[in-house]
Amino acid sequence: EIVLTQSPDFQSVTPKEKITITCRASQSIGSSLHWYQQKPDQSPKLLIKYTSQSFSGVPSRFSGSGSGTDFTLTINSLEAEDAATYYCHQSSSLPYTFGQGTKLEIK
Amino acid sequence: QVQLVESGGGVVQPGRSLRLSCAASGFTFSSYGMHWVRQAPGKGLEWVAVTWFDGSNKYYADSVKGRFIISRDNSKNTLYLQMNSLRAEDTAVYYCARKTSPGTFCDYWGQGTRVTVSS
Repeated sequence: EIVLTQSPDFQSVTPKEKITITCRASQSIGSSLHWYQQKPDQSPKLLIKYTSQSFSGVPSRFSGSGSGTDFTLTINSLEAEDAATYYCHQSSSLPYTFGQGTKLEIK
Repeated sequence: QVQLVESGGGVVQPGRSLRLSCAASGFTFSSYGMHWVRQAPGKGLEWVAVTWFDGSNKYYADSVKGRFIISRDNSKNTLYLQMNSLRAEDTAVYYCARKTSPGTFCDYWGQGTRVTVSS
């Protein structure tokens, strides 16, 4: 099973800041890494697919990069509505797995 | 627009069974694979099972293999999860999600249905 480890687990930031969340895979997964945003009491929403491709309707301040085992999600110019938990997810091999999540608090 | 609506959750005793349903609309259901993903209270996301668009391939997480069965009825645009021999650790919100095509990850998710396994 491929283990995904995210860092940090929690981050508190102010609006307009830029943050980076990292996701490290226990073995190479190519570009089959995707990012989701989950707000409290809501279902997850796809932000980034295949490492760096923005999903339909996602604001341009969200971007992704990486390959192999190391990936990042960057959020530029944070807004209050970005308060959420972010998960990375690999679809390279079964069983599909998720990172443990990064909770983002906007001060 | 893609809509996925789960139902069938509730409180069930350990060892008993429950069947979840996921009604799909807004897309050609028979052309897409589907996933079940769960989230225990206060915890992260755990992939549970996936079925291909025609039900030809089905895969499960080790934690549910042999107890849960994923199935679909393309004539009813509905996905199912039959959960048998339920355990306390199966307590979670269960989401159905559409599998991308091509690809294997989830693009659209339902709102979830809560399952509580407790005596």
